[in-house]
Amino acid sequence: GDSVTQMEGPVTLSEEAFLTINCTYTATGYPSLFWYVQYPGEGLQLLLKATKADDKGSNKGFEATYRKETTSFHLEKGSVQVSDSAVYFCAPLGGYQKVTFGTGTKLQVIP
Amino acid sequence: DTAVSQTPKYLVTQMGNDKSIKCEQNLGHDTMYWYKQDSKKFLKIMFSYNNKELIINETVPNRFSPKSPDKAHLNLHINSLELGDSAVYFCASSQASGGPYEQYFGPGTRLTVT
Repeated sequence: GDSVTQMEGPVTLSEEAFLTINCTYTATGYPSLFWYVQYPGEGLQLLLKATKADDKGSNKGFEATYRKETTSFHLEKGSVQVSDSAVYFCAPLGGYQKVTFGTGTKLQVIP
Repeated sequence: DTAVSQTPKYLVTQMGNDKSIKCEQNLGHDTMYWYKQDSKKFLKIMFSYNNKELIINETVPNRFSPKSPDKAHLNLHINSLELGDSAVYFCASSQASGGPYEQYFGPGTRLTVT
């Protein structure tokens, strides 16, 4: 079945630092790829997505590019804010609309 | 307007009891899901329903039984609760075919079994 490997957290950064959260996946075919974010005490919400190779998803200053050759979908942001503190999940979408979530990477941004 | 709602938000109960968690979505989606999130934030799908029909049934103890009375509701009933059932349970919904579609999550139900 599909699987996802995300970098271990927590990741602690100072405000305005550059963020990268690595994600690689294994899947049958070429799944659509998602990043979800979970703020403290809340459910997950979609952050961005990419549906085919070389697509770049972006939202709220975050970006991720679908790299078919390396089966990766790394999340980046140029300048993080305290309000970005959350848990980030990489997730390929398989058949039957089944999403396989990574283990999540907790981001802490300190002022 | 709340898109995906769950009740209750917190549930504390003793081992051996039977409990239910309710989920409703007002997005007009055809597909609904139940996920379990453990203390390390690992999120695992349990079930999904499409138009009241069971589509995904992962390896979950048969003490867990989902019920979908209509496509806007997906409830989760748990029999003979065990300590290991303590977790946060999330309901989600999405459109069905022709995707890829994002999933919309409820706020979660924190279940504590003592």
